[in-house]
Amino acid sequence: GDSVTQMEGPVTLSEEAFLTINCTYTATGYPSLFWYVQYPGEGLQLLLKATKADDKGSNKGFEATYRKETTSFHLEKGSVQVSDSAVYFCALRLLDYNNNDMRFGAGTRLTVKP
Amino acid sequence: GAGVSQSPRYKVAKRGQDVALRCDPISGHVSLFWYQQALGQGPEFLTYFQNEAQLDKSGLPSDRFFAERPEGSVSTLKIQRTQQEDSAVYLCASSFYRGQETQYFGPGTRLLVL
Repeated sequence: GDSVTQMEGPVTLSEEAFLTINCTYTATGYPSLFWYVQYPGEGLQLLLKATKADDKGSNKGFEATYRKETTSFHLEKGSVQVSDSAVYFCALRLLDYNNNDMRFGAGTRLTVKP
Repeated sequence: GAGVSQSPRYKVAKRGQDVALRCDPISGHVSLFWYQQALGQGPEFLTYFQNEAQLDKSGLPSDRFFAERPEGSVSTLKIQRTQQEDSAVYLCASSFYRGQETQYFGPGTRLLVL
């Protein structure tokens, strides 16, 4: 079935370090891909998304490129801040009228130390 | 504007007790989703409404779980005869229309069954 596999955490980085969180997907159709972030005590927030191959989603210095050939949507940021500490979820949603739900990865906890 | 709200934020129940979890979606949002998030995992789909119609309940884990949205806005997820394995965070999300990809999540209700 359709699923998302993301890099296991936790990930601990120093401030200003480069971040990569890997995400790969399996889907029978043509999914849209998302990264959601969950800050402590808060709900999931959409961080960025891409709806077709080669699209790049970006927000708050984070980027991810939809790679159909490698079925990947890795999250990157050039210089992380302490405030980026959170749990990051990769997710997909099929552009299928009959499909109503999103499929999430297990989440990757990021801790950024000053 | 106001986001998705959920209440209560925390609920402790004794095994066998019935619980009701409430979701107030963003005003005007047609689609409403419920997810279950176990500790250390990503959210998993439970059920989906379009207005007052429950179009997909394939993710509900047992017949003890019941959801309704009688007037097409507020939704209630009810769990009867709670079991310890029901302990999780229950997330509600809404989107403006069925085909819209971006779902907006509430903060969740953390349910602990003792």
